[in-house]
Amino acid sequence: ETGVTQSPTHLIKTRGQQVTLRCSSQSGHNTVSWYQQALGQGPQFIFQYYREEENGRGNFPPRFSGLQFPNYSSELNVNALELDDSALYLCASSFSGASTDTQYFGPGTRLTVL
Amino acid sequence: KNEVEQSPQNLTAQEGEFITINCSYSVGISALHWLQQHPGGGIVSLFMLSSGKKKHGRLIATINIQEKHSSLHITASHPRDSAVYICAVHSGGSNYKLTFGKGTLLTVNP
Repeated sequence: ETGVTQSPTHLIKTRGQQVTLRCSSQSGHNTVSWYQQALGQGPQFIFQYYREEENGRGNFPPRFSGLQFPNYSSELNVNALELDDSALYLCASSFSGASTDTQYFGPGTRLTVL
Repeated sequence: KNEVEQSPQNLTAQEGEFITINCSYSVGISALHWLQQHPGGGIVSLFMLSSGKKKHGRLIATINIQEKHSSLHITASHPRDSAVYICAVHSGGSNYKLTFGKGTLLTVNP
């Protein structure tokens, strides 16, 4: 059984650029959630995808967008990068997204915006 | 005020000590999660609770729904327990959003 993987591990971008982060969910899981974790803070919910549809969204502007593919892998896209977007981006997959499901986290992508 | 508050923010203990980390929340929840995050970022789910108490090895988690409070206990702490421990709650409903506390940094010295 393959765990949750994320790519790339680290990324450096400049203000105004666009970035795409990728997440492969654990085998058998159809739900992926994305989180942003600033240094010294707890993760903040960005959005969740369930069976290729956005299932819920946190307080993030529209320049944060996502996709989920038929194999349930997912992408997080951020346009017009700002300095405050520098953070660890985590994805987590679960069997169905229900509150009773355990979420399995990937190792994260550390994004630095200069 | 954050919806999920953890205390203490930082905790230093000697190997073998009994550890307690507290989590209070202000919203109605369907489940509460305790997570462990090691340096470098990887997060591991330790427990999911909706009532009562759960035990796994040296770790014990309890929740009091009426008081909106949960505790994570570590018995016979060990340096490898050093990590950030995060409490997160599910508000339930159709939005499966997890709301996280800021975490408690635990350092266990040999």
